[in-house]
Amino acid sequence: AQTVTQSQPEMSVQEAETVTLSCTYDTSESNYYLFWYKQPPSRQMILVIRQEAYKQQNATENRFSVNFQKAAKSFSLKISDSQLGDTAMYFCAFMNPRGNSNYQLIWGAGTKLIIKP
Amino acid sequence: GAGVSQSPRYKVAKRGQDVALRCDPISGHVSLFWYQQALGQGPEFLTYFQNEAQLDKSGLPSDRFFAERPEGSVSTLKIQRTQQEDSAVYLCASSEGQFRNQPQHFGDGTRLSIL
Repeated sequence: AQTVTQSQPEMSVQEAETVTLSCTYDTSESNYYLFWYKQPPSRQMILVIRQEAYKQQNATENRFSVNFQKAAKSFSLKISDSQLGDTAMYFCAFMNPRGNSNYQLIWGAGTKLIIKP
Repeated sequence: GAGVSQSPRYKVAKRGQDVALRCDPISGHVSLFWYQQALGQGPEFLTYFQNEAQLDKSGLPSDRFFAERPEGSVSTLKIQRTQQEDSAVYLCASSEGQFRNQPQHFGDGTRLSIL
């Protein structure tokens, strides 16, 4: 079974610093999708960035980028120039696209990120 | 609509009561998902609809849980004979098509508390 592990329950950095959140996963599949979601205190889950496993280039969305290391099954999120609005729970998620109806997202337990002024 | 809408935002029920949670997806979205999120945990998949068809219900924890989307739009998650372990936030998400890598748009969730 696929699993997703986020080993940092909580992190705290100063505003404008760079922070990296770690995520590892376990799968025997070769093609899959990986996602980072953000859940601010208001609770609405928002997609931050996604990566397709067959693409070697790391995904980037403005201040957010990933370090995808397929062999190591690692998918870390880097937030540059952190802002107060980045304070949230961050979840790493995995999707295996094989199968007729396998649309399940497998989620990590989350990392609580606090940006301090 | 502007986003995924869930109601009620909060629900308190006594153990043994039946509850119904509603999800209004983004207009035109084909795919609809339900998740259960326990306090301090990541969401766990419950069920998936493609239009009105329930293609995957493998995550429903027991036969007390039932979901429907009869007209391929609004969905209802029903929990019968609620138990304390059902207390959680129930999240609904929708995505535009049926492709698995498309982003899921989430509602604010319904926080269910069973006394």
